Amino acid sequence: GAGVSQSPSNKVTEKGKDVELRCDPISGHTALYWYRQRLGQGLEFLIYFQGNSAPDKSGLPSDRFSAERTGESVSTLTIQRTQQEDSAVYLCASRNQASYEQYFGPGTRLTVT
Amino acid sequence: GIQVEQSPPDLILQEGANSTLRCNFSDSVNNLQWFHQNPWGQLINLFYIPSGTKQNGRLSATTVATERYSLLYISSSQTTDSGVYFCAGTNAGGTSYGKLTFGQGTILTVHP
Repeated sequence: GAGVSQSPSNKVTEKGKDVELRCDPISGHTALYWYRQRLGQGLEFLIYFQGNSAPDKSGLPSDRFSAERTGESVSTLTIQRTQQEDSAVYLCASRNQASYEQYFGPGTRLTVT
Repeated sequence: GIQVEQSPPDLILQEGANSTLRCNFSDSVNNLQWFHQNPWGQLINLFYIPSGTKQNGRLSATTVATERYSLLYISSSQTTDSGVYFCAGTNAGGTSYGKLTFGQGTILTVHP
């Protein structure tokens, strides 16, 4: 079956612009996570969705970051007024209710110039 | 939150060699996973192994939850095994919602 998909795969933006990153989870997966991976580092948790609610937003680094989810489907991560330190790969993962095993998308590589 | 330490940070092998990667956790973890990040950045699920031992072809993994560590064994390594290996787990204490805490990874290079 189809895995987690993300778009765009690459995004170059100027400092100060807003960007939207999209995640399509595996069909039927109610839980969705966003992570960030800086160059040469492990992944850092950003936000967790159960359905369209976000009970854990503890990893969002600032109020410039926000995310939403439509039902149990697509999620978008929005970064406002991007800064150079926002440059990273943003990965999305999903899982179903029967297991805690997460499956990751290919990521969006964000470069802020 | 929990801390995850992976060792070694870098590993260089000749094709055909065996290796062991280790993951230590600072506190009790659930839902431990091992991933391989390929050169294109895709995270590939290797094992979901909260405890015990699993094998899949040339790879196997063992988690000893009571001692807070997990091991990944790679036998008869191939050049396609190159990449970064991550372990990750969820904090067994409190409400984690299943969010994963990752180690810094082991960079594996297999030479022909």
